[in-house]
Amino acid sequence: DADVTQTPRNRITKTGKRIMLECSQTKGHDRMYWYRQDPGLGLRLIYYSFDVKDINKGEISDGYSVSRQAQAKFSLSLESAIPNQTALYFCATSDPRRGNTEAFFGQGTRLTVV
Amino acid sequence: QQQVKQSPQSLIVQKGGISIINCAYENTAFDYFPWYQQFPGKGPALLIAIRPDVSEKKEGRFTISFNKSAKQFSLHIMDSQPGDSATYFCAASISGNTPLVFGKGTRLSVIA
Repeated sequence: DADVTQTPRNRITKTGKRIMLECSQTKGHDRMYWYRQDPGLGLRLIYYSFDVKDINKGEISDGYSVSRQAQAKFSLSLESAIPNQTALYFCATSDPRRGNTEAFFGQGTRLTVV
Repeated sequence: QQQVKQSPQSLIVQKGGISIINCAYENTAFDYFPWYQQFPGKGPALLIAIRPDVSEKKEGRFTISFNKSAKQFSLHIMDSQPGDSATYFCAASISGNTPLVFGKGTRLSVIA
């Protein structure tokens, strides 16, 4: 089983619909992140959370919200999806306390807004 | 303002050749510089990383060269193989404690 699991893997939704992308991890890490990947634009940070009670905006948070339901779960919501939110979304975790700065990514969710 | 600038956007290299990808950063507080490798349909995975106390780090065929004064670092892939064909991202953070800031990526194709 994957250490960082994203659901769904693919989703097509209509403009104006609310959609939630889910991320769960079994690595026991406190820190979780949501990134968006677009061709030619790389990975851009949407939101991040350093523990259950901590939520921080990233570079491109407008139009998105998040919920950290537990240490292992971090969900990304699009309240009213628009076509330019069509992208590949990645959840990631890390735990620098253990001296390991590596970020571990899920397999991604490909979202299409029509 | 883009904090980490990566070039080239795409790269085609012959099998056995050297692939070189360059990155430059602005924030002098950055002190952790990883490279991530991403295959189609997969999430990025850590390939190799360097901190500014050394100018070079080598792991197998992969080498990071770091130039602190120029605020630049690069990835060299020696003896490039078709299996190295992937998208490569450079990144930076402060002591590994801040979220990674990524470059825009380089799509590498190694042809036989």
